[in-house]
Amino acid sequence: EDQVTQSPEALRLQEGESSSLNCSYTVSGLRGLFWYRQDPGKGPEFLFTLYSAGEEKEKERLKATLTKKESFLHITAPKPEDSATYLCAASNDYKLSFGAGTTVTVRA
Amino acid sequence: SAVISQKPSRDICQRGTSLTIQCQVDSQVTMMFWYRQQPGQSLTLIATANQGSEATYESGFVIDKFPISRPNLTFSTLTVSNMSPEDSSIYLCSAGLHTDTQYFGPGTRLTVL
Repeated sequence: EDQVTQSPEALRLQEGESSSLNCSYTVSGLRGLFWYRQDPGKGPEFLFTLYSAGEEKEKERLKATLTKKESFLHITAPKPEDSATYLCAASNDYKLSFGAGTTVTVRA
Repeated sequence: SAVISQKPSRDICQRGTSLTIQCQVDSQVTMMFWYRQQPGQSLTLIATANQGSEATYESGFVIDKFPISRPNLTFSTLTVSNMSPEDSSIYLCSAGLHTDTQYFGPGTRLTVL
């Protein structure tokens, strides 16, 4: 069965304190690994797609990396506006399987 | 990217009634999906909405409970039938050119009393 596991469940950071979120996956016929950001009361917002091990993508203070079994979302010098739930999802030809998410809170 | 709207944004319904949620995409897309997100949990795929044919349901979801229509490439509806309090959840529509690239609507927050 396809499985996506995210850790930690919650992360509290001081503004400027860099950290990483982990996403491990077992998906048959993996096509891509996705990161989304979700703010309370809103739908997920697309951040990154990664297709092959070794690939990296960056957007502002976020950088996503991919290995054969896991992906990391690195948050560098976060700001309070980076507070959100970050969702990881793995796709095959058929569907996206989501992890439970990591809720990040950044304190000023 | 695609911009997706959903109606209603929220509703409070009585047990035993049905609610139809609409999803509109601003451009033609190949794939449309419906998800459920229960409080504090991640997204669970309900079904893939297929244009002009019956939706493809995931394990644990059935057509009688969650009938889905997709009459064209930009519009789909999900009905939650014979509701119970356990159906209280956020229902999300997503769309894209293929499975990989999915953009999400804002969601419909449903409360069943």
